[in-house]
Amino acid sequence: RKEVEQDPGPFNVPEGATVAFNCTYSNSASQSFFWYRQDCRKEPKLLMSVYSSGNEDGRFTAQLNRASQYISLLIRDSKLSDSATYLCVVNSWGKLQFGAGTQVVVTP
Amino acid sequence: DAGITQSPRHKVTETGTPVTLRCHQTENHRYMYWYRQDPGHGLRLIHYSYGVKDTDKGEVSDGYSVSRSKTEDFLLTLESATSSQTSVYFCAISVGLENEQYFGPGTRLTVT
Repeated sequence: RKEVEQDPGPFNVPEGATVAFNCTYSNSASQSFFWYRQDCRKEPKLLMSVYSSGNEDGRFTAQLNRASQYISLLIRDSKLSDSATYLCVVNSWGKLQFGAGTQVVVTP
Repeated sequence: DAGITQSPRHKVTETGTPVTLRCHQTENHRYMYWYRQDPGHGLRLIHYSYGVKDTDKGEVSDGYSVSRSKTEDFLLTLESATSSQTSVYFCAISVGLENEQYFGPGTRLTVT
């Protein structure tokens, strides 16, 4: 079983719509959580950290559910430029575990 | 921009040849990492370094070695490249107490 699991998608989203997706993690002792964005043939870039109380950064909202061991990302008012693969990342004792990514395609 | 560069950016090599990839950072970060990324897999840790001459293995270290003789440079060596090592290799540095990591642009390695 993978440490971090994500739905690979693709999630096809009309421009302006809302899209949300989750990832689950297996290590209940994980300490910190992140969402990264990766464009095709580029390096992953940190999108946002995920805090226990949930947090927003503009159109992006991240939630953490420790009891059920999942984190979520919601994108409101999707832009064409949001098309990318979103990586769920979990920090356990100084080692990052990466999901394989969820592909989002925003269409005009 | 985390000031991380990788070289070469692309390389094609033959099975059995040695290959060295270089990661260079300009901001004096203590922790550096080498990952590989393959389709259907998340990034997987190969080796990491927590200081000059201080390195440790990650989850997929077989067939790879590393060296860090200066803070700014972290080298990854494939002693004898195999086709299973065809991959995209990313270097990263760690920032902050929560281990946020920032990545270099990657090296695409093809072993024929």
